[in-house]
Amino acid sequence: GNSVTQMEGPVTLSEEAFLTINCTYTATGYPSLFWYVQYPGEGLQLLLKATKADDKGSNKGFEATYRKETTSFHLEKGSVQVSDSAVYFCALCSSNTGNQFYFGTGTSLTVIP
Amino acid sequence: DAGVIQSPRHEVTEMGQEVTLRCKPISGHNSLFWYRQTMMRGLELLIYFNNNVPIDDSGMPEDRFSAKMPNASFSTLKIQPSEPRDSAVYFCASGLGAGGNTIYFGEGSWLTVV
Repeated sequence: GNSVTQMEGPVTLSEEAFLTINCTYTATGYPSLFWYVQYPGEGLQLLLKATKADDKGSNKGFEATYRKETTSFHLEKGSVQVSDSAVYFCALCSSNTGNQFYFGTGTSLTVIP
Repeated sequence: DAGVIQSPRHEVTEMGQEVTLRCKPISGHNSLFWYRQTMMRGLELLIYFNNNVPIDDSGMPEDRFSAKMPNASFSTLKIQPSEPRDSAVYFCASGLGAGGNTIYFGEGSWLTVV
C-alpha cells in the first residue's frame, strides 16, 4: 500500500541554520510527492511538489528532490528564519489509488533567534 | 478564487448534540477530502469524494459520523451524537482529482465537545 514516513519532531534550530527533514515513501506505481506547511491556527498550504523521478521542487528557499532509487523526498533549506517555524507534512498522491492523498505525521520546526 | 470555505470556524457544543460541518470546495474541483487533526493522532483522512461519490470512507471513525456531497459545490460532515473525544480541528480540502495535482485546504473547523 501507500504510505509516507517522516522524521519525528520536534526540531529546534537557531536562525540561519541548515534544515533537513527526512521523508521516505512506499507507493505502487509512480506517485507525485508534496511538502505542505501548516502555520499555527491555519490550514495546510502547499510548499512544493515534484511529479516525477529526479524532479526538484522549490519554493521560498526550500527544496526537495524526488529520489526514486531511495524512495525519498527530503526537505532542505540552507538558512532558516524565525518565520519558518511551523509544522511540515510530506505527502504522496498516486493515480493507482484513485488520486488519494497520503500524509506523513508532520514534523514541528521551531526556529529561535 | 475564494479558496475552500468551511463553516463554522469554531463550535462549542454539549455532548450528545448533533454537529454539522460544512464545506464549499474550489469551483471546478472534482475531488474533496475531509480530514481530522488532533495532537494525539495527527492528521487523519476521514473520507474522500471524487465527482461527488464517496471513494474511500474507511477512515470514518464509527456510525456516529456521516458525510454527504449532494453536489459539486457543497459537502457536509455530521456527527450525531457528539462526544468529547470528537474534539478536534476538521479540515476540508479539494483538488482536481488527477495525479500530480495539488489539493487545497480550508482554514478548518475547530470543534470542542464538552
